[in-house]
Amino acid sequence: NAGVTQTPKFQVLKTGQSMTLQCAQDMNHEYMSWYRQDPGMGLRLIHYSVGAGITDQGEVPNGYNVSRSTTEDFPLRLLSAAPSQTSVYFCASSYGRTAAGEKLFFGSGTQLSVL
Amino acid sequence: GENVEQHPSTLSVQEGDSAVIKCTYSDSASNYFPWYKQELGKRPQLIIDIRSNVGEKKDQRIAVTLNKTAKHFSLHITETQPEDSAVYFCGGSNRDDKIIFGKGTRLHILP
Repeated sequence: NAGVTQTPKFQVLKTGQSMTLQCAQDMNHEYMSWYRQDPGMGLRLIHYSVGAGITDQGEVPNGYNVSRSTTEDFPLRLLSAAPSQTSVYFCASSYGRTAAGEKLFFGSGTQLSVL
Repeated sequence: GENVEQHPSTLSVQEGDSAVIKCTYSDSASNYFPWYKQELGKRPQLIIDIRSNVGEKKDQRIAVTLNKTAKHFSLHITETQPEDSAVYFCGGSNRDDKIIFGKGTRLHILP
């Protein structure tokens, strides 16, 4: 049982490049989400999904796209990277609805630098 | 939408003393309030949580209190130990299933 797996662990991009951060979980969790962590800003919600085929925006969705074609995978796409997207990105999942008190399991994070 | 404010941003306490971190939330419909601990270079992990129908919850040296009327909740750590040094995040979740976190508190336990 690997839990929540994020790839890559580190990535350097040039401004304007595109890339996809991968997130996969093997716990049959319905809920998945992406957060970014910046110094002094805490964890900010980018996008989340309550099940396959369903996605919604979080606090800071601009510049990011997501899709949820399977229960296991929730990739985060940066279409045209900007220096403001330099951050540590965490994927998280939970068995059920977070409003019902389900615990979030976080991945190990992806450190992204945009030059 | 929900907004969660957390104070202080940095807290230093002597080993063995107590630490208190406070959070306020804006959405009166929020009903679930977790606390996550993040050690240096690690992922956040849940340490305790509380539902809106409960005023207080305790787990060994850690306790959380909730005041729904005032819309604030607090984390209390007693008999602090070196391994308590970390960043702590409070969160609030409403019926939209978004967990919104505060900006975090960096806790230093001084020897």
